[in-house]
Amino acid sequence: DAGVTQSPTHLIKTRGQQVTLRCSPKSGHDTVSWYQQALGQGPQFIFQYYEEEERQRGNFPDRFSGHQFPNYSSELNVNALLLGDSALYLCASTRRVYTGELFFGEGSRLTVL
Amino acid sequence: GENVEQHPSTLSVQEGDSAVIKCTYSDSASNYFPWYKQELGKRPQLIIDIRSNVGEKKDQRIAVTLNKTAKHFSLHITETQPEDSAVYFCAAIKGGGNEKLTFGTGTRLTIIP
Repeated sequence: DAGVTQSPTHLIKTRGQQVTLRCSPKSGHDTVSWYQQALGQGPQFIFQYYEEEERQRGNFPDRFSGHQFPNYSSELNVNALLLGDSALYLCASTRRVYTGELFFGEGSRLTVL
Repeated sequence: GENVEQHPSTLSVQEGDSAVIKCTYSDSASNYFPWYKQELGKRPQLIIDIRSNVGEKKDQRIAVTLNKTAKHFSLHITETQPEDSAVYFCAAIKGGGNEKLTFGTGTRLTIIP
């Protein structure tokens, strides 16, 4: 079992560009959540996907959007990048019928110059 | 929404001593409280969790206590070792898998050899 996998692990973009991050959930999991973790801060909830629909959303602008595919994998898209978008983006998966642990991937570290 | 406060932000203890990290939450409906350990550049990993129907849970050198009336919960690490050095995050969630996890701001624990 590979656990939660994310790609890319690191990337550098410039202001105004767009980025797509990818996540494959742990086997057997159907719900994917995305978190943003700025340096020295706790993870902040962006949104959650289940059955290919956004189910919940945190306090993030519409520049942040996502998608979930039939195989439960997910993408996070960020448009019009700002310097403040530099962070570690974590994907976490669980089962809809939540019985315990949220499994996190290793994250994608985004640097915006 | 839920708000989780965590103290202290930094903690240094001598190897072999105990460490205690405290968190408070605002939403009395929260019913699951995990603790995550995050090493530098790594993903958060669950180390222990507690549900609202339990007051205390222990796993070897790690224990968590929950006071539902006061809405606070604490992590206790005994006989600390250098490998315990990391950032620890508490979190709170209510309901099932369709709810978001709200994290505290983190505690940087340093074990002094």
